[in-house]
Amino acid sequence: DAMVIQNPRYQVTQFGKPVTLSCSQTLNHNVMYWYQQKSSQAPKLLFHYYDKDFNNEADTPDNFQSRRPNTSFCFLDIRSPGLGDAAMYLCATSRDYSMGGRLLSSNQPQHFGDGTRLSIL
Amino acid sequence: EDQVTQSPEALRLQEGESSSLNCSYTVSGLRGLFWYRQDPGKGPEFLFTLYSAGEEKEKERLKATLTKKESFLHITAPKPEDSATYLCAVVSTDSWGKLQFGAGTQVVVTP
Repeated sequence: DAMVIQNPRYQVTQFGKPVTLSCSQTLNHNVMYWYQQKSSQAPKLLFHYYDKDFNNEADTPDNFQSRRPNTSFCFLDIRSPGLGDAAMYLCATSRDYSMGGRLLSSNQPQHFGDGTRLSIL
Repeated sequence: EDQVTQSPEALRLQEGESSSLNCSYTVSGLRGLFWYRQDPGKGPEFLFTLYSAGEEKEKERLKATLTKKESFLHITAPKPEDSATYLCAVVSTDSWGKLQFGAGTQVVVTP
């Protein structure tokens, strides 16, 4: 089945030690998203890629970076994790459309992976 | 500012006891409303998209409806496996496609 796969499912890191989370997809979707979800809260969008174009949310801390080397893979890098970064990190994808290289307002559903639960020691 | 409010926050049902979840939204213009189901420790699972008032979608025991101000997710004769958090999200015409989520309704169905 086509899907969104996140690895690892659980990640433990030390305070201040860089960590990378990965996401792959077999849906061949052109947009990929990273969300942070804390307990009993709604997912919070960190950034998204439209193809290779990176789009950061205004309130995403500089500590969070992302890479998308190809259509199928996307990585979330946390440069110096703090205790407040402990959360579930969700990757999502969607197929959206653009005109002239610009993402138009989309109404396509996003498809989520099962997340990586990040703990900070 | 776009707002999505879900009620109730939590709902406890007996197996077979039908009920409805509410999602009220305030957006300048609605491009789409989405329902997701989220099980503990998992990512949201897409259920439905609704685009215009009067639209209805069904899947097994779930039925989603949409008006100009709110959406309802009706659960008919629920089973314990319907226990989950149900998330509502909207995309407004002012947005490039960003999902604005509600806080969710946690549903527990007991045998």
